[in-house]
Amino acid sequence: AQKITQTQPGMFVQEKEAVTLDCTYDTSDPSYGLFWYKQPSSGEMIFLIYQGSYDQQNATEGRYSLNFQKARKSANLVISASQLGDSAMYFCAMRVNAGGTSYGKLTFGQGTILTVHP
Amino acid sequence: GAVVSQHPSRVICKSGTSVKIECRSLDFQATTMFWYRQFPKKSLMLMATSNEGSKATYEQGVEKDKFLINHASLTLSTLTVTSAHPEDSSFYICSVGDWETQYFGPGTRLLVL
Repeated sequence: AQKITQTQPGMFVQEKEAVTLDCTYDTSDPSYGLFWYKQPSSGEMIFLIYQGSYDQQNATEGRYSLNFQKARKSANLVISASQLGDSAMYFCAMRVNAGGTSYGKLTFGQGTILTVHP
Repeated sequence: GAVVSQHPSRVICKSGTSVKIECRSLDFQATTMFWYRQFPKKSLMLMATSNEGSKATYEQGVEKDKFLINHASLTLSTLTVTSAHPEDSSFYICSVGDWETQYFGPGTRLLVL
């Protein structure tokens, strides 16, 4: 069975500074994908970034980058130049290649509430 | 990315009534859609996989007779909460996508009185 762990219930960061949100995972499947989503108070799930288990380079999307350390089974999200609008709940999620239509079956971590201070 | 809508966005109902939630994929033909449930300040939990033209696949612990799923077309899946009770009050959210991305709908907040 797969498991995703986010050990930081809450994080605080000063505006314009960088912040790292931790995520560790556990799976015995060699083929998997790791996702980060942002959930503001409205509830919508906003896709941020994706990293495949076979990807050689760390994924980046604008101010978001994923620090993928395969041997340590960690997939930390780095947000650079934090903005007030970044305040939200952030979820790390994993999908394993279990065949068929399982690609949409995401297992989510507990989430981290990020608060950006002005 | 795919645009996913849900209706209604918010619903309040009396205990014992049934509530239908629609999930529409506006620009993505989805043979499979996924239904998640989220309690306040908690994580998302997968409830079931909705398969177009066939029966849904439910996760362990999810009552299929309680949460009826119908996926009649490539763009529409519905979740019906039958005989709703206060403990069914939650945020229900659907998703569609492909291997590298799952796009989520805006969610439906259900409150059962």
